[in-house]
Amino acid sequence: SQQGEEDPQALSIQEGENATMNCSYKTSINNLQWYRQNSGRGLVHLILIRSNEREKHSGRLRVTLDTSKKSSSLLITASRAADTASYFCATDNDYKLSFGAGTTVTVRA
Amino acid sequence: KAGVTQTPRYLIKTRGQQVTLSCSPISGHRSVSWYQQTPGQGLQFLFEYFSETQRNKGNFPGRFSGRQFSNSRSEMNVSTLELGDSALYLCASSSFREADTQYFGPGTRLTVL
Repeated sequence: SQQGEEDPQALSIQEGENATMNCSYKTSINNLQWYRQNSGRGLVHLILIRSNEREKHSGRLRVTLDTSKKSSSLLITASRAADTASYFCATDNDYKLSFGAGTTVTVRA
Repeated sequence: KAGVTQTPRYLIKTRGQQVTLSCSPISGHRSVSWYQQTPGQGLQFLFEYFSETQRNKGNFPGRFSGRQFSNSRSEMNVSTLELGDSALYLCASSSFREADTQYFGPGTRLTVL
């Protein structure tokens, strides 16, 4: 069973626009991570936010975490064609990651 | 530093056969995890090894097994393959210092006919 759910399931935006996706999870966490996957390949770690943090930035990425609502959001600013991918949130517990179903982002040129 | 490598990258098997997949972690990483990814079930945790010991196991039947060697390389085995085992199998490694962050390999695409 999956720990989290992403919303929306799919997102199509124009190059240069921002993309926002949300993740909700069920149990208490130590941290929440976001990963990217390009077309059925391996996952790439994007950013990790700890439970005592509310916001974190990495380049064009901004992640927020609201532990009271058990939710997180990932914002990609000024999107590029190379950002076309599936994005997954993941929570870790007992040496394993539990992933959400993912948001598929398509960036149109 | 070389990334996580997985072999083979693609595999076609028939029902009833068994298969062994291999994973070489990033040099210095001692934790190796395996995940199964399917369109229907998404990404699901199979098992995690650290210093040759399995620390956690996902909810998969006993046909799925794994092991880790003293050099941290890991293998997973699936016996008596079923059509539903067709999936992308991903291996990930992590270091003690960055225990929360997992670095994934490109995966092995297994097709069971």
